[in-house]
Amino acid sequence: GENVEQHPSTLSVQEGDSAVIKCTYSDSASNYFPWYKQELGKGPQLIIDIRSNVGEKKDQRIAVTLNKTAKHFSLHITETQPEDSAVYFCAASVGNTNAGKSTFGDGTTLTVKP
Amino acid sequence: EPEVTQTPSHQVTQMGQEVILRCVPISNHLYFYWYRQILGQKVEFLVSFYNNEISEKSEIFDDQFSVERPDGSNFTLKIRSTKLEDSAMYFCASSAPRGTEAFFGQGTRLTVV
Repeated sequence: GENVEQHPSTLSVQEGDSAVIKCTYSDSASNYFPWYKQELGKGPQLIIDIRSNVGEKKDQRIAVTLNKTAKHFSLHITETQPEDSAVYFCAASVGNTNAGKSTFGDGTTLTVKP
Repeated sequence: EPEVTQTPSHQVTQMGQEVILRCVPISNHLYFYWYRQILGQKVEFLVSFYNNEISEKSEIFDDQFSVERPDGSNFTLKIRSTKLEDSAMYFCASSAPRGTEAFFGQGTRLTVV
């Protein structure tokens, strides 16, 4: 089955700096890669996603890159703010007509220091 | 903004008892999922459900677990004979036809004592 590895497990940055979280996956059939932000006591919330036919996607301060050959994808957050502090999960799934079964990474606890 | 709602937010149960966790998916969604997250660990897939049947399930989802869509709005997860290791956050999610984004509920914290 699919295996998703995520690094680092914790990340601390100064407000205004960039943060990068990296994930690798094992199943070449995976074609949908969402990133979730989870705040304390809440469910995962999608912040950005990318499909395997796209190499990069950007939404304001958040960007995701995908390297299908190397089977890795990364989340980039620029100009970090204290409210970006949360646990971030990457996931991989075979999503054709629906989100499908997502395999999650272990999560990265991001702390943005004011 | 439409959202997935889960009840209860916290459930405490005695070991060996049965529990039913309830979810109301977003109204026009047709794909439903249950995930669980043991404290401090990753989110794990349990089961997906479409067209009134299970479409995929993980190794975790054994005979102790069952899912049901008893009416047009609710989606339930039943855990029979709960064990201590069933203690976790259980998340329901749903996604639209031909959509890829899964929307997650706030979760139900299950504590088995």
